[in-house]
Amino acid sequence: AQSVTQLDSQVPVFEEAPVELRCNYSSSVSVYLFWYVQYPNQGLQLLLKYLSGSTLVKGINGFEAEFNKSQTSFHLRKPSVHISDTAEYFCAVTRTDSWGKLQFGAGTQVVVTP
Amino acid sequence: DAGVTQSPTHLIKTRGQQVTLRCSPKSGHDTVSWYQQALGQGPQFIFQYYEEEERQRGNFPDRFSGHQFPNYSSELNVNALLLGDSALYLCASTEGGRNTGELFFGEGSRLTVL
Repeated sequence: AQSVTQLDSQVPVFEEAPVELRCNYSSSVSVYLFWYVQYPNQGLQLLLKYLSGSTLVKGINGFEAEFNKSQTSFHLRKPSVHISDTAEYFCAVTRTDSWGKLQFGAGTQVVVTP
Repeated sequence: DAGVTQSPTHLIKTRGQQVTLRCSPKSGHDTVSWYQQALGQGPQFIFQYYEEEERQRGNFPDRFSGHQFPNYSSELNVNALLLGDSALYLCASTEGGRNTGELFFGEGSRLTVL
């Protein structure tokens, strides 16, 4: 079985400052990794994904993440946040042979203030 | 191109009642997954339908059942509702033949059980 741990439940950050959201996973088999964002009263939107290849993955809205297999981590970063980045962020993992069965972390609430 | 659509968006039921939630997948997608997101938590996988059959199931009781129709749309049924079933129910779709694990989510149906 897989599991995902998001190390911070809430991250306050000032506008234009950098942010890092931490995600660790455990799995005995090969996995794909994802970051999703959820704005208030909405569904989830994919930010970025790691399937294979380069360990540095770039996504939408200026976000990027780095896959570290030895540390089983997939941390999300953005060099300069905007007020509009205020949202809940979820890290997720799925087996490479599993179609659509994602294991999500508990989420990290990012609150951006001026 | 319509994305994943869900109905109803909100509903209120009382304990012991039954509820049916509906989902139309993104155009071109044939696989539908259902997730339960309790307040303040990450989504939990309920089950997945492909070719009108349940292909994978998470750790949910038999009170949770589903169906997929020939046009790939899907229903989630919950019987004998409990207070703990109050949650946002998310539908997600993907292409069964492309194992990227990437899901496209609807905005959800928020169920309140009184």
